[in-house]
Amino acid sequence: DAGITQSPRHKVTETGTPVTLRCHQTENHRYMYWYRQDPGHGLRLIHYSYGVKDTDKGEVSDGYSVSRSKTEDFLLTLESATSSQTSVYFCAISGGPAGEKLFFGSGTQLSVL
Amino acid sequence: QQPVQSPQAVILREGEDAVINCSSSKALYSVHWYRQKHGEAPVFLMILLKGGEQKGHDKISASFNEKKQQSSLYLTASQLSYSGTYFCGTNRNTDKLIFGTGTRLQVFP
Repeated sequence: DAGITQSPRHKVTETGTPVTLRCHQTENHRYMYWYRQDPGHGLRLIHYSYGVKDTDKGEVSDGYSVSRSKTEDFLLTLESATSSQTSVYFCAISGGPAGEKLFFGSGTQLSVL
Repeated sequence: QQPVQSPQAVILREGEDAVINCSSSKALYSVHWYRQKHGEAPVFLMILLKGGEQKGHDKISASFNEKKQQSSLYLTASQLSYSGTYFCGTNRNTDKLIFGTGTRLQVFP
């Protein structure tokens, strides 16, 4: 199994609170992705990174920011959480552009009350 | 723009076959297929690159018709372990992989 760890696994927070989710990999893969999963919507890309300090937006990036200061860590921040951001968040890693397979982390269940 | 998957759900008996389709309104470079069990992370099945490729993985195979911007996943002689949600992911030769909304497959004894 690919070495990819998400933390926390579960989090409950209140509306308006900042939240940071962490994705850590031990594979030295260049590409890292954040997706959110909601019923009826499948997996939607939030942000991705193609190298240290190199990031770009996905389909649903509003309300989210990311940072990647080291190859192994990719952080997703909700500056001011809203109830619409209640979701399961998955991090994924890949050794190359999207022509190579993705390995997913176990996910973070985030509830915003 | 998300690719469109059909059907949304499939119910099968063990040993039956199924086809899941994935179509895009944009030209594609590659198509990925993943399976997700309830409460778990998606797991990679296969990638198809443009060129009309067809691949197989045990009794699961897939085709990619780049002209029609479509891919199909074929599950033959289904097993209980095939149950889960199947996602196609499409790439237009960029760094982004955009997933469809998923097809829920249930296999009963």
